[in-house]
Amino acid sequence: QQQVKQSPQSLIVQKGGISIINCAYENTAFDYFPWYQQFPGKGPALLIAIRPDVSEKKEGRFTISFNKSAKQFSLHIMDSQPGDSATYFCAANWDSGNTPLVFGKGTRLSVIA
Amino acid sequence: DVKVTQSSRYLVKRTGEKVFLECVQDMDHENMFWYRQDPGLGLRLIYFSYDVKMKEKGDIPEGYSVSREKKERFSLILESASTNQTSMYLCASSLGPGISYEQYFGPGTRLTVT
Repeated sequence: QQQVKQSPQSLIVQKGGISIINCAYENTAFDYFPWYQQFPGKGPALLIAIRPDVSEKKEGRFTISFNKSAKQFSLHIMDSQPGDSATYFCAANWDSGNTPLVFGKGTRLSVIA
Repeated sequence: DVKVTQSSRYLVKRTGEKVFLECVQDMDHENMFWYRQDPGLGLRLIYFSYDVKMKEKGDIPEGYSVSREKKERFSLILESASTNQTSMYLCASSLGPGISYEQYFGPGTRLTVT
């Protein structure tokens, strides 16, 4: 199955709090898991990506946690700021394939002061 | 700096019209994609191309066609626009080979069909 299931659909977090977005996949052949960030009026842009040889990847306040056995991965935004308010998409693919990224349906994050 | 441009930010067309959405990338990328974005449905792939004159159907190709005559340009065509094609259309490109390279998106075209 090609789907990537993303939750929640929307999220409201207080400034300084932790935002957590979860994704689950079925295809065990997937070996590339990026997250894209989209601000209003803009196209999505790559935020951070992970491959299954590591369980966690951190870039600044953004961390991907990966659980291969559970077929789940999540994005954590530490010390969330109003500027992080955006729509976030998880995605998955297998690097050796010539098929497009499979995207989750997106999470609309609002960080309120 | 990487750039994907789309011909229009906003477009209003009438039912039955033929609509062309143009996308140009200046990065010499092999792969190009067309998506539509609707609230609650995320990004749905319409068509993609991994080479000039090559095209592959995505998840929702019905009612659409594409053209890629030059490497830098990928056009989405709505042969006879319908109201259910009112949406945000996003073009993207990636370096390749392999589809999992970073995708660079354009700013989108918001199409309204009345």
